[in-house]
Amino acid sequence: DAKTTQPPSMDCAEGRAANLPCNHSTISGNEYVYWYRQIHSQGPQYIIHGLKNNETNEMASLIITEDRKSSTLILPHATLRDTAVYYCIVRATATNDYKLSFGAGTTVTVRA
Amino acid sequence: DTEVTQTPKHLVMGMTNKKSLKCEQHMGHRAMYWYKQKAKKPPELMFVYSYEKLSINESVPSRFSPECPNSSLLNLHLHALQPEDSALYLCASSQIRDSYNSPLHFGNGTRLTVT
Repeated sequence: DAKTTQPPSMDCAEGRAANLPCNHSTISGNEYVYWYRQIHSQGPQYIIHGLKNNETNEMASLIITEDRKSSTLILPHATLRDTAVYYCIVRATATNDYKLSFGAGTTVTVRA
Repeated sequence: DTEVTQTPKHLVMGMTNKKSLKCEQHMGHRAMYWYKQKAKKPPELMFVYSYEKLSINESVPSRFSPECPNSSLLNLHLHALQPEDSALYLCASSQIRDSYNSPLHFGNGTRLTVT
């Protein structure tokens, strides 16, 4: 799996957009970018994933640069319940390789 | 609530005990996973099952013994554990077809304490 680099921590204000960066400069052409988050004492929660195009769902938006070397997860209106560790993961696409390997992630604290 | 159910939520066991962790999903997923997570660390993959057969073992000690009795159930049998094995054990599942485009769904884990 390609390695990802995320800032260890960031704060954001409640009600504002939170922009979480991720670098994955060694990503291969057929590798997907996944985002998960883990709220304290819970299992990781899937947020969104994408290959080339920007993606949006009810939780967040994913912006992938044209060269695919970096991406940004956008939480449009952060709430206190969005406080969590956010993981950016590049997932291998080899046949029979189903695993997801987590890096250190970004600890996001949403403040009132 | 998650679609992957893990039991028990908490488990305390002695080093000579034998216990089992259980995981169940009814999403029709044919890939199932065990992860281990130490405090303030990211989850680490232990095992992957595909079509009820073990496909990945990340060099896990033999005191951890996984079992996949059917497509909905995944067990982790524990024997002669050490205190350093205390951790959150997470189960996950996913589709196999088009697997890299299929998210893993995680349970909320079993918090294991070895005394």
